[in-house]
Amino acid sequence: DSGVTQTPKHLITATGQRVTLRCSPRSGDLSVYWYQQSLDQGLQFLIQYYNGEERAKGNILERFSAQQFPDLHSELNLSSLELGDSALYFCASSAQDRNTEAFFGQGTRLTVV
Amino acid sequence: AQTVTQSQPEMSVQEAETVTLSCTYDTSENNYYLFWYKQPPSRQMILVIRQEAYKQQNATENRFSVNFQKAAKSFSLKISDSQLGDTAMYFCAFMKPSTGNQFYFGTGTSLTVIP
Repeated sequence: DSGVTQTPKHLITATGQRVTLRCSPRSGDLSVYWYQQSLDQGLQFLIQYYNGEERAKGNILERFSAQQFPDLHSELNLSSLELGDSALYFCASSAQDRNTEAFFGQGTRLTVV
Repeated sequence: AQTVTQSQPEMSVQEAETVTLSCTYDTSENNYYLFWYKQPPSRQMILVIRQEAYKQQNATENRFSVNFQKAAKSFSLKISDSQLGDTAMYFCAFMKPSTGNQFYFGTGTSLTVIP
């Protein structure tokens, strides 16, 4: 158990809908990262938050947004969903902004039908 | 941009034998970290081993070791005495502290340990 909690574990929704994925980082970790893993692919970095502020952006679509709350949990919002958004979405957290490894949650499997 | 390349989509190894997974990367940074993550069928991402670029000594964790060739930008993973539980996808990853801790992942190598 990495200490990073993601909910829900599985999500099935229709095209055009909006969903929210939730992540609780390890206790004390200030940084949260979101990654997308499409079928049998490596993980693609989406976005990073550090202590409530956006720190870095990767290949995140405009239809997607995220935020980190004062209690440090984070939410990833996916809207106007398309079939191609079906993927495993991972959250990771780390203790500091730099120079430390990240610990991954178990992921949320999103299926868009 | 940083790129990580894993040129072996699939590999297999007999139980108790040794296997080496390849990874190359491209960066202009001097300070960075390299990782190998294991993803078993449960889909959990599990850290196997990490290497700091400033360290010349290759990292070792029990049966897992790396061959880090900084000039060649190569970072291979050697698994000794392979076990059935080693069957998984293995991802090589690069991280540079200068822009935070986001990882750049390769496309993975699917390793099957044969009884």
